[in-house]
Formats: sequence, structure tokens, C-alpha cells
Amino acid sequence: GENVEQHPSTLSVQEGDSAVIKCTYSDSASNYFPWYKQELGKRPQLIIDIRSNVGEKKDQRIAVTLNKTAKHFSLHITETQPEDSAVYFCAASMNFGNEKLTFGTGTRLTIIP
Amino acid sequence: DAGVIQSPRHEVTEMGQEVTLRCKPISGHNSLFWYRQTMMRGLELLIYFNNNVPIDDSGMPEDRFSAKMPNASFSTLKIQPSEPRDSAVYFCASSSGRLSGNTIYFGEGSWLTVV
Repeated sequence: GENVEQHPSTLSVQEGDSAVIKCTYSDSASNYFPWYKQELGKRPQLIIDIRSNVGEKKDQRIAVTLNKTAKHFSLHITETQPEDSAVYFCAASMNFGNEKLTFGTGTRLTIIP
Repeated sequence: DAGVIQSPRHEVTEMGQEVTLRCKPISGHNSLFWYRQTMMRGLELLIYFNNNVPIDDSGMPEDRFSAKMPNASFSTLKIQPSEPRDSAVYFCASSSGRLSGNTIYFGEGSWLTVV
């Protein structure tokens, strides 16, 4: 089955700086890659996703890049703010035939004011 | 839309007792997922249903765990008998499948403590 690895497990950045979180996956058939943000005591919430026919997607301060050849994808947060502090999870699944999402182990991002 | 609704939000029970967690997916969604989250193991998929049929239960840890989905608007996850190592947050999630591109929406979670 699919295996998703995520790095780093913790990340601290100064407010205003950029943060990058990286994930690799094992199953070349995977073609859907969402990112979830989970604040303390809350549920995971989708913040951005990318599909295999797209190499990059951007939504305001958040961007995701995908390299299918290398089987890795990354989350980029620019101009970080204190409210970006949370745990971020990457995930992967096949779009057709199997909707099961396999999650990475999470990155605890702390924004230092 | 009310989102995915789970109950109870918090439960403390004694070892050996039966625990039943309940979930109401988003109306119109045809896929439902049960995840377990712990510090040690992260987010683990326990089981998922499509059109009320269990598709993949390979994540169910052992026979003490069972899940049902009798209709499109209700699912249960049961642990019998419960053990302290079952303490975790159990999330139910739903999606409308391929048409939504697999976007999965999580409930608020059921925080289970087994003492």
C-alpha cells in the first residue's frame, strides 16, 4: 500500500518568514495530494490540494508543488503569521477506484512572533 | 451544512466496557471514513465505506473493533471490550467521492479515554 513520509516533524520560523514542509510517497498510482491543517484540539481541515496533472498550485500565501517523477510534493507558506501555527499533514490517494487517503506523520509548525 | 457530526465528543470509560461512537456524514456524501489519531501513530484509517458498504477494513486493529453503516446518514464504531491502549481521538469523515476530487471533511472527533 501507499506510504507517505513527511519532514520535518517540527518547524519553527520567525513571523514573516517562509515555511516549507516536504512529503514523499511510494505508490506511483497516487494522483491526489491534499494538505490538512490541524489546530490544537480541533479537526484536520483541508487547506489546499493538488492533482497529478498540475505541477504547482497557489492560494494566497499557500502554495503546493508536485514532482511526480521524484514522487514528492511540498507545502510552502509565505509571510507566515501567528495563526499559521498548527500541525500540518500531507496525504496521498488514487483518485479513481480507491479514495483512501494515506496521511504523513505531521509537521508541528510554530511561528515565533 | 452542519458538517460531519460525531457523538459523543468526549467519553471516559473503564477498561472492559463497550464503547460506541456515532457519526452522521454530510448529506449527499457517499463515502465515510473512520480515523484514529494518537501521538504515537498519527492519523490511521480504520475503515471506510462507500454507499454504505465496507470497502477497506484493513486498518481495524483487532476483533474488538467493529463498524457498521446501516444507512447513508449514520455509522457506528464499536469497541468491545475497551482497553487503555484504545485511548485516542476518533475522527469520522465523509466525502462525495470522485466528483469532489476526494476532498474529505472531518468531524470534530470523539475523544476517548479508557482507564
